[in-house]
Amino acid sequence: NAGVTQTPKFQVLKTGQSMTLQCAQDMNHNSMYWYRQDPGMGLRLIYYSASEGTTDKGEVPNGYNVSRLNKREFSLRLESAAPSQTSVYFCASSQGQGGRETQYFGPGTRLLVL
Amino acid sequence: GNSVTQMEGPVTLSEEAFLTINCTYTATGYPSLFWYVQYPGEGLQLLLKATKADDKGSNKGFEATYRKETTSFHLEKGSVQVSDSAVYFCALSRGSTLGRLYFGRGTQLTVWP
Repeated sequence: NAGVTQTPKFQVLKTGQSMTLQCAQDMNHNSMYWYRQDPGMGLRLIYYSASEGTTDKGEVPNGYNVSRLNKREFSLRLESAAPSQTSVYFCASSQGQGGRETQYFGPGTRLLVL
Repeated sequence: GNSVTQMEGPVTLSEEAFLTINCTYTATGYPSLFWYVQYPGEGLQLLLKATKADDKGSNKGFEATYRKETTSFHLEKGSVQVSDSAVYFCALSRGSTLGRLYFGRGTQLTVWP
């Protein structure tokens, strides 16, 4: 039982390049989330998926797109990377979307955009 | 709106010292409150939570009580260990709908032997 897995662990991009961050969970959770973590900022929600087939914007969605490929997988795409997107990206999942649910986090992807 | 304010770090303590990390919140309705911990190089993991006023969450010797009257959820531990060195995040979630988490900025704790 791996929990939430993310690939890659590290990535360096040049400005304007594109890439997709992958996330998968094996807990049969319905809801999945993408956050970014910046120094001194805590975590901020980029996009979320309350259930398979639905996605919605979070607090900082500009410059990103997401795909809920199936119940297990939720990918985050940067179409044209910018230095401001240098950050650590965390994927999370929860059984439901209610406020009392515990979210389970992956180990993160460190992204550097030059 | 919804927001969390937690004490600035870093916090440096000797082993067996008492720990308090302050957290206050602003929220409409009846939020749930959480403490997450991030060990070096890892993702966040839930430390404890409380879903209604006066609830006390506890885990691994850590405790926090949901105080609606002071809008606070301070984290405490009576005797810290070197292995508690990590970043601690206070977070809230609206009780009724989407489980989006609103995080504080995090507090770095370092415990020396």
